[in-house]
Amino acid sequence: AQKVTQAQTEISVVEKEDVTLDCVYETRDTTYYLFWYKQPPSGELVFLIRRNSFDEQNEISGRYSWNFQKSTSSFNFTITASQVVDSAVYFCALSEAKTGANSKLTFGKGITLSVRP
Amino acid sequence: DAGVIQSPRHEVTEMGQEVTLRCKPISGHNSLFWYRQTMMRGLELLIYFNNNVPIDDSGMPEDRFSAKMPNASFSTLKIQPSEPRDSAVYFCASTSTGVPSPLHFGNGTRLTVT
Repeated sequence: AQKVTQAQTEISVVEKEDVTLDCVYETRDTTYYLFWYKQPPSGELVFLIRRNSFDEQNEISGRYSWNFQKSTSSFNFTITASQVVDSAVYFCALSEAKTGANSKLTFGKGITLSVRP
Repeated sequence: DAGVIQSPRHEVTEMGQEVTLRCKPISGHNSLFWYRQTMMRGLELLIYFNNNVPIDDSGMPEDRFSAKMPNASFSTLKIQPSEPRDSAVYFCASTSTGVPSPLHFGNGTRLTVT
């Protein structure tokens, strides 16, 4: 069975601090996909990134960066120079790679990030 | 592009009543998912469809829940009869099969059963 663990439940930082959100996953599949979603206070779920299990390159997008390490089954998310608008719940998710099921996501419990001015 | 459209945004109903939640996926997407979000259980997959056919409904809590997708542009999730423990935010999401593409979520329906 697949499982995603986000051990941190709540994180509070001051604006401009860097913050890392941890994600550890379990799967028996050799091919799988990892995702991060953001849920701001307005409630919608916003897609941030997708990685496949064969691509361990780190990714940077503006202030956001992701570190994928298969050896530790982790897919961590770092926000550099955090801003108040980054305040949200962040979900890590894992999906199977079977045809027709490649978007069936298993979500972690989420991490509530609060960025104080 | 219009995005995934869910209605209603909010629903308040009394225990025992029938509730129908509606979803219009993004045009061209052929996979549709219903998720439920609660504080206790987080985001749970209820059911998903590929090409209008239910593929996995193992997450549907019990027989009170049913979902249909009569065509590629419309799906419903029905709860009959509703119970207070069904109170949650219900999300619909769509995507395309094939090369894995991210799920695009609607804004959700907040259901309150009193």
